[in-house]
Amino acid sequence: EPEVTQTPSHQVTQMGQEVILRCVPISNHLYFYWYRQILGQKVEFLVSFYNNEISEKSEIFDDQFSVERPDGSNFTLKIRSTKLEDSAMYFCASSESGLVGEYEQYFGPGTRLTVT
Amino acid sequence: QQQVKQSPQSLIVQKGGISIINCAYENTAFDYFPWYQQFPGKGPALLIAIRPDVSEKKEGRFTISFNKSAKQFSLHIMDSQPGDSATYFCAASIRGGSQGNLIFGKGTKLSVKP
Repeated sequence: EPEVTQTPSHQVTQMGQEVILRCVPISNHLYFYWYRQILGQKVEFLVSFYNNEISEKSEIFDDQFSVERPDGSNFTLKIRSTKLEDSAMYFCASSESGLVGEYEQYFGPGTRLTVT
Repeated sequence: QQQVKQSPQSLIVQKGGISIINCAYENTAFDYFPWYQQFPGKGPALLIAIRPDVSEKKEGRFTISFNKSAKQFSLHIMDSQPGDSATYFCAASIRGGSQGNLIFGKGTKLSVKP
């Protein structure tokens, strides 16, 4: 069964460093997403991406964040200068449609980011 | 307005028992209520979803009950099995809206004891 994969599974970085989280969405999907979950908190939407551009972003997704689809398979989330409060589990997801309830979003297993 | 409140935070149930997880929302515009199941080391996966034009939806041992007037919905797992041990997230959104509007609860960690 096709699945979304994410690397690394755990990333430890120092405050102020740049990190890149990587995702490989399901191959025929057109919409890509990043979510995050701070420990003990709810899953929060960060950004959606379609047709090589951001289609929607939350207020969490500030100028420190960027997304890119550098080739036909990878989808990346970059945090330019990490802060302690960026420590969280980051989930990548993909779907055939961008409309809620139309097609399922498939989530990857997540990358746990720890900022020290 | 945009919150989905989920309870309990954790739940321990004996094998064969009924697991019940509750969620409440505030935004009356929400019309799509999915539940996600997450096993350790895996991402959340869609389990079952309901729209407010029905009060109940059943798929196998999993049932969503929906109370529109109370703005509450719940997941019932009948005949709970150790394999059901996972974290469950409720969510709410506007069907047909953009995926960014999917609002999640904080999750419930379910442990089913053999």
